[in-house]
Amino acid sequence: AQSVTQPDIHITVSEGASLELRCNYSYGATPYLFWYVQSPGQGLQLLLKYFSGDTLVQGIKGFEAEFKRSQSSFNLRKPSVHWSDAAEYFCAVGPPQGAQKLVFGQGTRLTINP
Amino acid sequence: GAVVSQHPSWVICKSGTSVKIECRSLDFQATTMFWYRQFPKQSLMLMATSNEGSKATYEQGVEKDKFLINHASLTLSTLTVTSAHPEDSSFYICSAREDRTRGAFFGQGTRLTVV
Repeated sequence: AQSVTQPDIHITVSEGASLELRCNYSYGATPYLFWYVQSPGQGLQLLLKYFSGDTLVQGIKGFEAEFKRSQSSFNLRKPSVHWSDAAEYFCAVGPPQGAQKLVFGQGTRLTINP
Repeated sequence: GAVVSQHPSWVICKSGTSVKIECRSLDFQATTMFWYRQFPKQSLMLMATSNEGSKATYEQGVEKDKFLINHASLTLSTLTVTSAHPEDSSFYICSAREDRTRGAFFGQGTRLTVV
């Protein structure tokens, strides 16, 4: 069965510190992988996605993610967080072809300390 | 970038009434759109897949007669919650698949409160 696990429900980091949000997936084939960010009461904004090619993917707002097939992971990173990065982050996987019926992780809530 | 507009952003309705939520892809065509439901502090759960010109495909446990989906054009899908009850109160989010980039872009969500 397809599943996505985000082990950390809540993470707190200081402004300016580095960030890594973990994502592990279980999928029958090589999936398409996504990271989304959600501010309170808002929809989801796509940060980045991985389909194939270079396993280090650059996204918006200074985020990047690295696909590691051997670990079934797609961790999100940012070298230096800003207070505006406080939000809920969702990792998702989808099928390699066809309609994108995404399976989402539970989400990680990020809090930024000033 | 691709923009998906969802309307209304919030709605309050009385029990027993129906509510329609619209999802529009503003600058791209979307053959396929998806409807999700999100409970407070939880992840998104896929309710149904909406395909232009054909019937929607519902996930297991989702009542198709209660959550009516219509995808009449390549830029518009609607979700109608029929005979709403307080337990239908939730945050509903649509997404649209952009065929060219294979990205899935989300609307801003609709907060439905049934009183």
